[in-house]
Amino acid sequence: QVQLQESGPGLVKPSETLSLTCTVSGGSINSGRYYWTWVRQSAVKGLEWIGRIYTSGNTNYNPSFKSRVTISIDTSRSQFSLKVTSMTAADTAVYYCARCPAAEVGCDYIDYWGQGTLVTVSS
Amino acid sequence: DIVMTQSPLSLPVTPGEPASISCRSSQTLLVAHGYNYLDWYLQKPGQSPQLLIYLGSHRASGVPDRFSGTGSGTDFTLKISRVEAEDVGTYYCMQTKETPFTFGPGTKVDIK
Repeated sequence: QVQLQESGPGLVKPSETLSLTCTVSGGSINSGRYYWTWVRQSAVKGLEWIGRIYTSGNTNYNPSFKSRVTISIDTSRSQFSLKVTSMTAADTAVYYCARCPAAEVGCDYIDYWGQGTLVTVSS
Repeated sequence: DIVMTQSPLSLPVTPGEPASISCRSSQTLLVAHGYNYLDWYLQKPGQSPQLLIYLGSHRASGVPDRFSGTGSGTDFTLKISRVEAEDVGTYYCMQTKETPFTFGPGTKVDIK
């Protein structure tokens, strides 16, 4: 059974950078068959797709984040990571890592989600 | 971005009765080969979302057959033939036709 587990700080100060890691177990992160994805959920904006990375390192980001986001992958550790710079209170949310099976073009659905980690932005 | 809307936003249900949720997209989710790039998820209280339906009408592995997805283009419906108590939670539609993927606002289903 595939499991995804987010880790990182629960509290970030305004203007700082958030760094989260997702550890994948029970399946290979390097199989070349998945897009590894980040989604967040806040009371104000609901569910929001942040971006994804393919095993090759190819990434797609949500333009609404205005280049604040970077997603990377470390296949040797079965991990992928999210960095969000210039955090503000509006970035307070539960952050989920997730798996999206690769299709002919891109991916069509998210089949596994992590349990989510709450990140609060406050001084 | 493709904007997703849902109705109703709140749905009280009676166990054993049918229920349906509507989802609409601002652009067609139907592509040339006939697939609709629309998924349905259920987020039970305190849990992560879980996949119910993908590509408009395909039930995910392990999902009970009382759940079905219909629709095409810009109008979609999730139907529960007979609601059970375990079906409470918030239902979301999500489009995967183009990035950024976008979600509907959610429909909260609870027992009357």
